[in-house]
Amino acid sequence: AQSVAQPEDQVNVAEGNPLTVKCTYSVSGNPYLFWYVQYPNRGLQFLLKYITGDNLVKGSYGFEAEFNKSQTSFHLKKPSALVSDSALYFCAVDYVTSNTGKLIFGQGTTLQVKP
Amino acid sequence: EAQVTQNPRYLITVTGKKLTVTCSQNMNHEYMSWYRQDPGLGLRQIYYSMNVEVTDKGDVPEGYKVSRKEKRNFPLILESPSPNQTSLYFCATGEQLNTEAFFGQGTRLTVV
Repeated sequence: AQSVAQPEDQVNVAEGNPLTVKCTYSVSGNPYLFWYVQYPNRGLQFLLKYITGDNLVKGSYGFEAEFNKSQTSFHLKKPSALVSDSALYFCAVDYVTSNTGKLIFGQGTTLQVKP
Repeated sequence: EAQVTQNPRYLITVTGKKLTVTCSQNMNHEYMSWYRQDPGLGLRQIYYSMNVEVTDKGDVPEGYKVSRKEKRNFPLILESPSPNQTSLYFCATGEQLNTEAFFGQGTRLTVV
């Protein structure tokens, strides 16, 4: 079955330190991978995506993510965290061969950046 | 301004009373979908539509209906709501499959 896992419910990091939010996936075909961020009382906002090509993808607000096919992972990273990065982050996957429009989300990881 | 507009934002209703949550987009996107968000479960897809008059079930379609009579609108219908449909609902749109999605602000529904 197709699935996405975010193994950490919460990640705590000090402002200025690097952050990583983990995501692993399981799909039968080649994946399309996405990261979204949700601020309180708001809808989800797109951060970045991997379709094909370079394994390191750069996105909005200084975030980047690394696609690792052998480890089936797509971890979200940022070199220097800001307090304003505190939010709920979702990894999502679609897969090339499905053509169904189904987007599968992980359960979400709360990022807490402390001053 | 590009927008996905959901209404209402908040709704409290009683079991069995039919309701509709509207979703409208001004980006001329072909692809629209509905999700529900529950704590610890992330977002789960209810229904999606790849174009006008084309809809299909997502992962949790039971108890819901949708229609896509026009490109810009994709209402979610609960014919007979039950308490287990208490959730936060999001409408999303995209240019096509496998592109980034644009989400509405969400509708918090409580069924008592």
